Amino acid sequence: AQSVSQHNHHVILSEAASLELGCNYSYGGTVNLFWYVQYPGQHLQLLLKYFSGDPLVKGIKGFEAEFIKSKFSFNLRKPSVQWSDTAEYFCAVNALGRALTFGSGTRLQVQP
Amino acid sequence: DADVTQTPRNRITKTGKRIMLECSQTKGHDRMYWYRQDPGLGLQLIYYSFDVKDINKGEISDGYSVSRQAQAKFSLSLESAIPNQTALYFCATSDTSGQGLETQYFGPGTRLLVL
Repeated sequence: AQSVSQHNHHVILSEAASLELGCNYSYGGTVNLFWYVQYPGQHLQLLLKYFSGDPLVKGIKGFEAEFIKSKFSFNLRKPSVQWSDTAEYFCAVNALGRALTFGSGTRLQVQP
Repeated sequence: DADVTQTPRNRITKTGKRIMLECSQTKGHDRMYWYRQDPGLGLQLIYYSFDVKDINKGEISDGYSVSRQAQAKFSLSLESAIPNQTALYFCATSDTSGQGLETQYFGPGTRLLVL
């Protein structure tokens, strides 16, 4: 079975600080990897995704993620966060033909 | 995303009542999903459907049932609601390429409170 771990449950940063949110998955085969964001009171939106090719993936709003196959990781990064990045972030994974499995989420709070 | 709609958006019900949450999509996607979101637990998959004739249980299907009335409609029912089913419920759809790649698109959610 596939599973996803997000080790940071709640992160508090000041504006302009750099961000890295960890995501590890367990599945031995080929996987697709996603980061979703949920702004307060809103539904989930796709931030970025990795299917194949360049392991460094760039998404919307200046976010990027790096797939490191040997570490089963897909960490999310942003060089300089803004107050508007306050949200909950979910890592998700699926293997071919399977439904998505989500991590438990990381709540990011950016202080002005 | 207006392409995936959920009704109702908020619902308060009492223990033992039967309720139905509805999801409609205009994206033309074959695959539809129901998740529940609880604080600190992320999203847990309840049921999913890869096409009209294909229904599958997810991680936490007990106490729930679904109906895929058409490609565009996927309903979730709680036959006899209980308080620990209080949660935020999301419907999602996904497209697939020939390689089985998926991007899921979420509805706005239904906030359910069971008293």
